[in-house]
Amino acid sequence: AQSVTQPDIHITVSEGASLELRCNYSYGATPYLFWYVQSPGQGLQLLLKYFSGDTLVQGIKGFEAEFKRSQSSFNLRKPSVHWSDAAEYFCAVGRMIKAAGNKLTFGGGTRVLVKP
Amino acid sequence: DTGVSQNPRHKITKRGQNVTFRCDPISEHNRLYWYRQTLGQGPEFLTYFQNEAQLEKSRLLSDRFSAERPKGSFSTLEIQRTEQGDSAMYLCASSLSGASTDTQYFGPGTRLTVL
Repeated sequence: AQSVTQPDIHITVSEGASLELRCNYSYGATPYLFWYVQSPGQGLQLLLKYFSGDTLVQGIKGFEAEFKRSQSSFNLRKPSVHWSDAAEYFCAVGRMIKAAGNKLTFGGGTRVLVKP
Repeated sequence: DTGVSQNPRHKITKRGQNVTFRCDPISEHNRLYWYRQTLGQGPEFLTYFQNEAQLEKSRLLSDRFSAERPKGSFSTLEIQRTEQGDSAMYLCASSLSGASTDTQYFGPGTRLTVL
């Protein structure tokens, strides 16, 4: 069975500082990995995804993530946080069975607060 | 392309009533997923359609829940005899099979409150 752990429930960061959100996954094969962001009361917006190739993935809004197979991790980073980055961030793993759909398993989320 | 839409955005109902939610996927997407998200948690998979066929259901989907996608376009999720534990955000996502990652795009969700 696939699972995702986001160890940090809340993170507070000053505007302009760097941000790193941790994600650890468990999956028996090569995973699809995703980061989504959710603003209050809204749906999920895709930030970036990894399925093969270069282990450093660039996404929207200046975010990047690095896949480390040896550590079963897919951490999200941003060099300089803006106040608009305050939101909840979800890491997800999808199964890689093309004929059977891509059911996602999500972590519990990390809420990011940005101090002025 | 207007993205995934869901209606209604909010629904307040009394325990024991039936409710129905609608999801309109991105027009060319043949796969459609329903997830449920309770407060402070990540979304949990409920069910999945490829075209009009419902191919997988979670154990979370009790017999009070039913989902349809009659023409392979929009989908409805009905909850019968609602309970307070059904209060949650119900999210719909769509994707295109055959694309390299089957990436899911989410709608804004329907927030259900059962009184």
